[in-house]
Order: sequence, then structure tokens, then C-alpha cells
Amino acid sequence: TQLLEQSPQFLSIQEGENLTVYCNSSSVFSSLQWYRQEPGEGPVLLVTVVTGGEVKKLKRLTFQFGDARKDSSLHITAAQPGDTGLYLCAGAINDMRFGAGTRLTVKP
Amino acid sequence: NAGVTQTPKFRVLKTGQSMTLLCAQDMNHEYMYWYRQDPGMGLRLIHYSVGEGTTAKGEVPDGYNVSRLKKQNFLLGLESAAPSQTSVYFCASSWVGQETQYFGPGTRLLVL
Repeated sequence: TQLLEQSPQFLSIQEGENLTVYCNSSSVFSSLQWYRQEPGEGPVLLVTVVTGGEVKKLKRLTFQFGDARKDSSLHITAAQPGDTGLYLCAGAINDMRFGAGTRLTVKP
Repeated sequence: NAGVTQTPKFRVLKTGQSMTLLCAQDMNHEYMYWYRQDPGMGLRLIHYSVGEGTTAKGEVPDGYNVSRLKKQNFLLGLESAAPSQTSVYFCASSWVGQETQYFGPGTRLLVL
């Protein structure tokens, strides 16, 4: 059983659509991070959220940390083909634990 | 700066063979990590190090050993490779724990 459950596992959408992916756990985290990984490369950090209820925006990406610091969501507005990739959340307890990821494909 | 580099990029082993994966970072980071990534499983922590000369077990340490003799290098060893160790291995580093981790490009290992 994964400490962090990400959903959906796969998502395929058309360019211009909006989407939300989720990262859920029964554990409380001191911080939570979102990474994006492209094929053949290592993950790259997108954002770190620390405070319960925190919302951070990165251009068309909006990240929210749950009030209880157990879950997080990533919302992408007007998705573009360049957003295609594997989105991973990672939570810090004693060490960093990663979810299995959401594989997003944005079709032109 | 090269960031985090990994050697080799790809390797094929036969069951029972041994090998060492090398990770190097030029950012003067204290913490270094080895992960494996398998389909549907995400990244799982194998071993990590909080400084030169120190190592600790992660989530899936069995069958692997590590060493951190120099601050910039973190070695992952497989003494007797098994097909279950077929995976993509990523090294990462960070200033301190729970901070941004910088990942290498990965090593794809196939054990036959």
C-alpha cells in the first residue's frame, strides 16, 4: 500500500481542457512537493507547500495543500502539449515518500 | 555546473553478477539518495546519506549496499543481481532533508 495515493493514474485530454489530479494520504505531512518527470529524465520540482490550506500558483498550475496537511491537488488550466509528463507528489515525514504518479497526456 | 550525474546510463546484467552505480553531485549538498522507479510503484527510497561517511536504510534496502566516502559521491552496489532488481535507478541530492531534491537522469538496469 502506497503512503501517498495519486489519482487518476492515467489522464489523456485535449489541448485547452482543464484538469485536476489528486494526492491523498492518511498521514500528516510537514510539507508536500509536486514534481514533473519527462520520459528518460529525473523528476524536477514544481512546488513545495508547507502550510495547511496553502495555495500556490505557477503560471497555469495551481497547487493546494489540504487544511489537515494530508492531501493536495494540482489543477492545470488550459492544458498544453508541453504539460505532458508524469506528475509525482512527495510528502515529508521522516524522509520523503513519493506517490506512484499521474501520467498526463495532452493531445494537440 | 553539471548538477547530479549518474554512471552508467544503461546496463544489462546476468543473475548473480555484481555492479556499482555511481552518483556524483557538484552542488555541495549534504544529503544524497538512491531510489528505484518501477511501473505503478512510483519512486521508492533504497538508501540515503545525511553526510560524508554516513548511510541509512530507506524503504527497500534489501539486496543493495551503499557508500559515501566523499561528499560529492554516493555509490550503490548490487552484490548478486536478481531479476527483481530490474528497474530504473535515480540518484538525488539536497541541502538538507525534506528540501528540494535534485535528481540525476537515471540508470536503466536490466537483470536477465
